[in-house]
Amino acid sequence: GQNIDQPTEMTATEGAIVQINCTYQTSGFNGLFWYQQHAGEAPTFLSYNVLDGLEEKGRFSSFLSRSKGYSYLLLKELQMKDSASYLCAVRDSNYQLIWGAGTKLIIKP
Amino acid sequence: ETGVTQTPRHLVMGMTNKKSLKCEQHLGHNAMYWYKQSAKKPLELMFVYNFKEQTENNSVPSRFSPECPNSSHLFLHLHTLQPEDSALYLCASSQEGAGAEVEKLFFGSGTQLSVL
Repeated sequence: GQNIDQPTEMTATEGAIVQINCTYQTSGFNGLFWYQQHAGEAPTFLSYNVLDGLEEKGRFSSFLSRSKGYSYLLLKELQMKDSASYLCAVRDSNYQLIWGAGTKLIIKP
Repeated sequence: ETGVTQTPRHLVMGMTNKKSLKCEQHLGHNAMYWYKQSAKKPLELMFVYNFKEQTENNSVPSRFSPECPNSSHLFLHLHTLQPEDSALYLCASSQEGAGAEVEKLFFGSGTQLSVL
């Protein structure tokens, strides 16, 4: 079966750095997505990785290792507004999106 | 105006009621989706429409009936639902096909459905 694993919940301190991991086992691979979802709001696109390596976008970076079936989302200089759920999704060989259950990130002052 | 709008935001219905969820996208996309989001579970894809044609139905019970009259509008008709159908129902759109940038999804804010 196909599976995406990510931690259920993480806590971090304002101003710090946090890394949210995502591991996957899928039938083929055609890209990995990260979305952010604030409580009661729409998920919004954060990043896309299809080749190995690090993609940086301001305070957020996403890393991919296809050989290890592994990605992480790195958030730097955490702000209170970063409190949200972070969803990892992988597109398989049939271009179907397989979703993780999401990681709820709690930022404390 | 946001790219994808959904109404209503909240809905409470009894098991014998009939209601409809509405979604509209203002992004000129050619694909629209219905997802179900339950607490602490992965998003579940329910239906996909591409150029108004239904291309996917992920074994969804017949008490959920989608309708896509044009590429901008999507409905989900609900009837005789069960309490376990209570969830957040998300609509999304994307631009699919050759020449599309990363085929990312644009989501609406969802309808929080409670079935009593």
